[in-house]
Amino acid sequence: DARVTQTPRHKVTEMGQEVTMRCQPILGHNTVFWYRQTMMQGLELLAYFRNRAPLDDSGMPKDRFSAEMPDATLATLKIQPSEPRDSAVYFCASGSDRVRNTEAFFGQGTRLTVV
Amino acid sequence: AQTVTQSQPEMSVQEAETVTLSCTYDTSESDYYLFWYKQPPSRQMILVIRQEAYKQQNATENRFSVNFQKAAKSFSLKISDSQLGDAAMYFCAYRRGRVGSQGNLIFGKGTKLSVKP
Repeated sequence: DARVTQTPRHKVTEMGQEVTMRCQPILGHNTVFWYRQTMMQGLELLAYFRNRAPLDDSGMPKDRFSAEMPDATLATLKIQPSEPRDSAVYFCASGSDRVRNTEAFFGQGTRLTVV
Repeated sequence: AQTVTQSQPEMSVQEAETVTLSCTYDTSESDYYLFWYKQPPSRQMILVIRQEAYKQQNATENRFSVNFQKAAKSFSLKISDSQLGDAAMYFCAYRRGRVGSQGNLIFGKGTKLSVKP
């Protein structure tokens, strides 16, 4: 059963600490997305990778956020230092744009609370 | 830039009745897909239905169907015979269709659907 796996599911951390969220995309998928979901802003795109190369990270605060794909099986989103306003649910999604089936599959999200 | 608008923050329907959720979008592209995603309290994003812009026929998936009006850039979701398990947030989303340059999903703000027993 192919699925996108995100870890951790929940994270509570103190302001100023580093937070790393991980995502394992579905094998064979070549696009990976990081979204942030908040009540106020809804689902916002933070980063978009294609064939492991970052194509769009314009939605990501550059001073504290970073996203990488060290290999095809792992994507990471890091916040350093974390702030209370970063509290949100962070979703990873993967898909394939090599064919016309453009569905994106989502992980279960990481609920981040920064106190 | 493409945008997706859901004008109904909340909707309510009686169990077994029919409800329609609205979505409008704006794009200059001719090749694109439209989606409805469901997010129950578990927060898992679940694809409900997909529509390809070049297909005139409205997509259907069991109790879920869409009314796709390409000229009006409208994409509404109809849920028939509503069930308690349909209660969730529903997101309308857009994505370019061209192979190799589809980019990310662009979401509306969502509609919270409540189902009354």
